[in-house]
Amino acid sequence: GAGVSQSPSNKVTEKGKDVELRCDPISGHTALYWYRQSLGQGLEFLIYFQGNSAPDKSGLPSDRFSAERTGGSVSTLTIQRTQQEDSAVYLCASSLRPGDEQYFGPGTRLTVT
Amino acid sequence: AQSVAQPEDQVNVAEGNPLTVKCTYSVSGNPYLFWYVQYPNRGLQFLLKYITGDNLVKGSYGFEAEFNKSQTSFHLKKPSALVSDSALYFCAVRDMNYGGSQGNLIFGKGTKLSVKP
Repeated sequence: GAGVSQSPSNKVTEKGKDVELRCDPISGHTALYWYRQSLGQGLEFLIYFQGNSAPDKSGLPSDRFSAERTGGSVSTLTIQRTQQEDSAVYLCASSLRPGDEQYFGPGTRLTVT
Repeated sequence: AQSVAQPEDQVNVAEGNPLTVKCTYSVSGNPYLFWYVQYPNRGLQFLLKYITGDNLVKGSYGFEAEFNKSQTSFHLKKPSALVSDSALYFCAVRDMNYGGSQGNLIFGKGTKLSVKP
């Protein structure tokens, strides 16, 4: 079946602009995660959605970052007033249940100029 | 607090030789442990996981990992390395005794595996 998809694959934006990144998880997966991977760094957890529960936002680096998950499926990560340090690959993952293995999308490479 | 350490930034192995990528973890309860691989310009792919049962776990592409509770380790191994195994490998942990809704994994910083012909 279809895996996790993300769009766009690449995004170049000017400093100060807002961006939206989209994630389509695997159908039926209840848990959805956003991570950030900077060059030469590991994965930094951003936010986690589980079913209809309130999301775990503990990893969001600032209030410029927010995310939604509509209808328990598609998720959008929004970064407002982008800064150069926001440049990274943003990865989305989903799992059937919390704690199960996560399946990752190909990522969105964000470059802030 | 949960944490994962991958003490080696890079591991170099000759093709055909055995390889080991090290991982140690710290959790307050029982761990779920995972290995993922990231090929260049690709997303992460799940390799294998340990939840309970046999300490030796077998996964994709001939990889296996051994859970050692006393040493809090979960090293990734392969008996005979291939050039195509060259990639970035991530270890991850989830504390099974963690309460609440949190299900995210804690990832190590990754180890770059380079297999030379």
